[in-house]
Amino acid sequence: AQSVTQLDSQVPVFEEAPVELRCNYSSSVSVYLFWYVQYPNQGLQLLLKYLSGSTLVESINGFEAEFNKSQTSFHLRKPSVHISDTAEYFCAGTYSGAGSYQLTFGKGTKLSVIP
Amino acid sequence: NAGVTQTPKFQVLKTGQSMTLQCAQDMNHEYMSWYRQDPGMGLRLIHYSVGAGITDQGEVPNGYNVSRSTTEDFPLRLLSAAPSQTSVYFCASSYQVLGTGELFFGEGSRLTVL
Repeated sequence: AQSVTQLDSQVPVFEEAPVELRCNYSSSVSVYLFWYVQYPNQGLQLLLKYLSGSTLVESINGFEAEFNKSQTSFHLRKPSVHISDTAEYFCAGTYSGAGSYQLTFGKGTKLSVIP
Repeated sequence: NAGVTQTPKFQVLKTGQSMTLQCAQDMNHEYMSWYRQDPGMGLRLIHYSVGAGITDQGEVPNGYNVSRSTTEDFPLRLLSAAPSQTSVYFCASSYQVLGTGELFFGEGSRLTVL
């Protein structure tokens, strides 16, 4: 079965420090990868996605993720975090080639930014 | 600019009761889905639909029914509620059925089964 693994359930980090949230996916014929963010008491919102092309993708609020096929990873990074980045982050993947229409989500990583 | 609307936001049921969680989207999306979110489990797909009249099971379909009579609406029915169904439920839709498109989520429905 296809799977997405988020290696850390909680990540505390001080404000203005860099952060990396790790995500690994099971390999398949082809794959589309996403990062979603969930702020408290809200639904999920798309942060960024990789479909094809450049392996480095960026969001409008300073996050970036790099698709690494050899390591089957899609880690999320930000060079300097803000208090407002405190949220839960979900890595997700869609696997094509088998008529699959659904995303598989990781279990989430709670990012806590400490003032 | 409503997007995906879920009702109710909160519900308390007794074991054995039935209820329907409503989901409506005004973006003319073909793809709609229901997820449940439990602590430490991430989101798990319950049922999904790729268009009116077409539904299919996800990872955890037992105890839930869905139907898709219109493009806009995708209700989730709990037939006989159990405490294990205590969860936060999210409806999501997408314009792209092949999995490359963004999922738009509702704000969630928090269900407690006593």
